[in-house]
Amino acid sequence: RKEVEQDPGPFNVPEGATVAFNCTYSNSASQSFFWYRQDCRKEPKLLMSVYSSGNEDGRFTAQLNRASQYISLLIRDSKLSDSATYLCVVHQTDSWGKLQFGAGTQVVVTP
Amino acid sequence: NAGVTQTPKFQVLKTGQSMTLQCAQDMNHNSMYWYRQDPGMGLRLIYYSASEGTTDKGEVPNGYNVSRLNKREFSLRLESAAPSQTSVYFCASTIPLGDQPQHFGDGTRLSIL
Repeated sequence: RKEVEQDPGPFNVPEGATVAFNCTYSNSASQSFFWYRQDCRKEPKLLMSVYSSGNEDGRFTAQLNRASQYISLLIRDSKLSDSATYLCVVHQTDSWGKLQFGAGTQVVVTP
Repeated sequence: NAGVTQTPKFQVLKTGQSMTLQCAQDMNHNSMYWYRQDPGMGLRLIYYSASEGTTDKGEVPNGYNVSRLNKREFSLRLESAAPSQTSVYFCASTIPLGDQPQHFGDGTRLSIL
């Protein structure tokens, strides 16, 4: 079983719509959580960290559910520029900054 | 703001050839990492260096070696390239505290024929 699992998609979303997707992680010792964005095999870039209380950054909302071991990302008012692959990333307490990456969820926003 | 710089950006090798991928960061980060990314898979850690002078194996170290030359530079060497090593390679760095993200280089697209 993969340590971090994501629905690969693609999620086809009309411009202006809302899309949400989850990521599950298997290691309960996981401490920090992130969403990264990756465009067309370019380098991953940090989208946002995910905090226990949930957090929002503009049109993006991230939630963490430790009991069920998943995190979620919601994108409101989708823009064409939101088309990308979203990587779920988990950091474990006892590792030296080592991260576990999900394979990514592809989002395609259509006009 | 250079951040993390990788060279080369593209490379084609023949099976059995050797080469070194270079990575340098100018953010004074302690920890550096090498990943490979293959279609349909997440980034997989090859080797990492928690701090200058130390290196450790990651998830997929076979066929690779690394050198942490100094705090800035972390190189990845393929001694005898194999077609299975065709991939996109990313270098990353971070301050290794729990909530600090990793910063990535642009990647090296490596094809082995």
